[in-house]
Amino acid sequence: QKEVEQNSGPLSVPEGAIASLNCTYSDRGSQSFFWYRQYSGKSPELIMSIYSNGDKEDGRFTAQLNKASQYVSLLIRDSQPSDSATYLCAVNILTGGGNKLTFGTGTQLKVEL
Amino acid sequence: GAVVSQHPSWVICKSGTSVKIECRSLDFQATTMFWYRQFPKQSLMLMATSNEGSKATYEQGVEKDKFLINHASLTLSTLTVTSAHPEDSSFYICSARDQREYNEQYFGPGTRLTVT
Repeated sequence: QKEVEQNSGPLSVPEGAIASLNCTYSDRGSQSFFWYRQYSGKSPELIMSIYSNGDKEDGRFTAQLNKASQYVSLLIRDSQPSDSATYLCAVNILTGGGNKLTFGTGTQLKVEL
Repeated sequence: GAVVSQHPSWVICKSGTSVKIECRSLDFQATTMFWYRQFPKQSLMLMATSNEGSKATYEQGVEKDKFLINHASLTLSTLTVTSAHPEDSSFYICSARDQREYNEQYFGPGTRLTVT
């Protein structure tokens, strides 16, 4: 089982709709969870972080965390074509070499006009 | 959010030569920086964790003698690709952990390396 799993997509949504991106993780001890956005040919950009169960909202973005079920999701409201990118879920995992982010393979989002 | 820079943004070198890539945290101190590599249409792959003042920790399968990492100050880490070969051509991205902000990790803009 992969440590962080995401559906690779592509996920296509019409402009103005809500995009829902999901991620599951395997390490129950994980405490920190992040969503990054990566445009093609660019480096990842941190858009949301969440540390406790429940919802966290920032503008059009809402991150949701459920530690009991080991999933974290990202909702994008009023999706825009500029939101088209790959969204990476990252989980902070404590290993023998210290704590480090483990990334999912990313979900490609396409927002269509 | 915190700002991380990388230099150069792209580089072309000949096979057998060495290339140094710099990663700087501009507005915060980073005791820990990370180096990733990403091939086209593939996921990020962590190469090594760079700790200020100590040796880097390399991921399994990454040759530490080929990818030299130096983290000499709290704002600068360097990655040197020694004796580069065409298969080393990739997108190299550094990130830095901002301990002021719950250990959130910020990425530099990346360096695209092409070895001819």
